[in-house]
Amino acid sequence: RKEVEQDPGPFNVPEGATVAFNCTYSNSASQSFFWYRQDCRKEPKLLMSVYSSGNEDGRFTAQLNRASQYISLLIRDSKLSDSATYLCVVNGGSYIPTFGRGTSLIVHP
Amino acid sequence: DAGVTQSPTHLIKTRGQQVTLRCSPKSGHDTVSWYQQALGQGPQFIFQYYEEEERQRGNFPDRFSGHQFPNYSSELNVNALLLGDSALYLCASSLAQDRDYGYTFGSGTRLTVV
Repeated sequence: RKEVEQDPGPFNVPEGATVAFNCTYSNSASQSFFWYRQDCRKEPKLLMSVYSSGNEDGRFTAQLNRASQYISLLIRDSKLSDSATYLCVVNGGSYIPTFGRGTSLIVHP
Repeated sequence: DAGVTQSPTHLIKTRGQQVTLRCSPKSGHDTVSWYQQALGQGPQFIFQYYEEEERQRGNFPDRFSGHQFPNYSSELNVNALLLGDSALYLCASSLAQDRDYGYTFGSGTRLTVV
């Protein structure tokens, strides 16, 4: 079983839609969690950290369920500019970030 | 504020050759991690350097080696290149004491092995 698993998609949604991505991780000792965004042929950029209490940044909401070992990212009111690959990242006990393969989002007019 | 810089941006090498990639971390960061990202995959951890020593290593063969200099910059060396080494190589910097913060990535070096 992979350490971090994501549905690769692609998720193809219209502008204004709400879309949710899930990610599961295998190491129960994982300490910290993140979502990164990666545009085509660019480097990953930190989108947001994920806290146990859940956190929101504008149209983006991240949640963590430690008991079930999954993380989610919700994007409301999708924009064309949200089209990208979203990478789930988990810091295990060694604090080395482990990346999922990413979920591709395509927002169309 | 200088972010993470990597050089070169693109590189084409022949099978069996050796390559060196370079990375300068973000100002104030002391830890450098290297990742390999194949097309359609997430970045895979190669190794991490802190205080000029390899602190952690992922599941990569000994052909992959690295170095960190006193100014925190780093090099990734790959010997005896294989076609399968073709990928985007990403350098990420961080501050060792800020373990719960995300990494800052450079724009990467795209290596093509022919």
